[in-house]
Amino acid sequence: RKEVEQDPGPFNVPEGATVAFNCTYSNSASQSFFWYRQDCRKEPKLLMSVYSSGNEDGRFTAQLNRASQYISLLIRDSKLSDSATYLCVVNHPNAGKSTFGDGTTLTVKP
Amino acid sequence: DAGVIQSPRHEVTEMGQEVTLRCKPISGHNSLFWYRQTMMRGLELLIYFNNNVPIDDSGMPEDRFSAKMPNASFSTLKIQPSEPRDSAVYFCASSDNSGANVLTFGAGSRLTVL
Repeated sequence: RKEVEQDPGPFNVPEGATVAFNCTYSNSASQSFFWYRQDCRKEPKLLMSVYSSGNEDGRFTAQLNRASQYISLLIRDSKLSDSATYLCVVNHPNAGKSTFGDGTTLTVKP
Repeated sequence: DAGVIQSPRHEVTEMGQEVTLRCKPISGHNSLFWYRQTMMRGLELLIYFNNNVPIDDSGMPEDRFSAKMPNASFSTLKIQPSEPRDSAVYFCASSDNSGANVLTFGAGSRLTVL
């Protein structure tokens, strides 16, 4: 079993749709969590951190459920420019390294 | 800040040749990471350094791969001899160890081994 698992998709949605991605992790002691975005043939870039209390940044909402060991990302009113691969990232406890999921591909269509 | 700088951006080489990839982290960042990305295996951590010291190289595929960080502003990843299965995008990333370990990636080096 992979340490971080994501539904690879692809998710194909119309503009304006709401779409949600989930991610599960296996190490219950993991300390910090993130969503990164990667555009085609580009490097991953931080989208947002994920906090236990949940956090929102404009149309994006991230939530963490430690008991069930999953992280979610909700995108409301999706735009064409949201088309990308979304990577779930989990940081190991007391270590400096991050483990990436394989990513979920989103295509927003007009 | 110019961000994380990687070179070369693209390299095409023949099997058996030596490949050297270079990375300059963000000034002030004291952790540096080398990742490899392929369609089949996703983004894999190869090795990371903290304060120029290799901390975890368990992701380095085999002895053909080596990485160094002679100072805080420079790191290399070397493959010798290269094989077609090494074809991938190699990303370097750095972080400032502020606790959250947020990574900033370079643009990547796309390697093709023929």
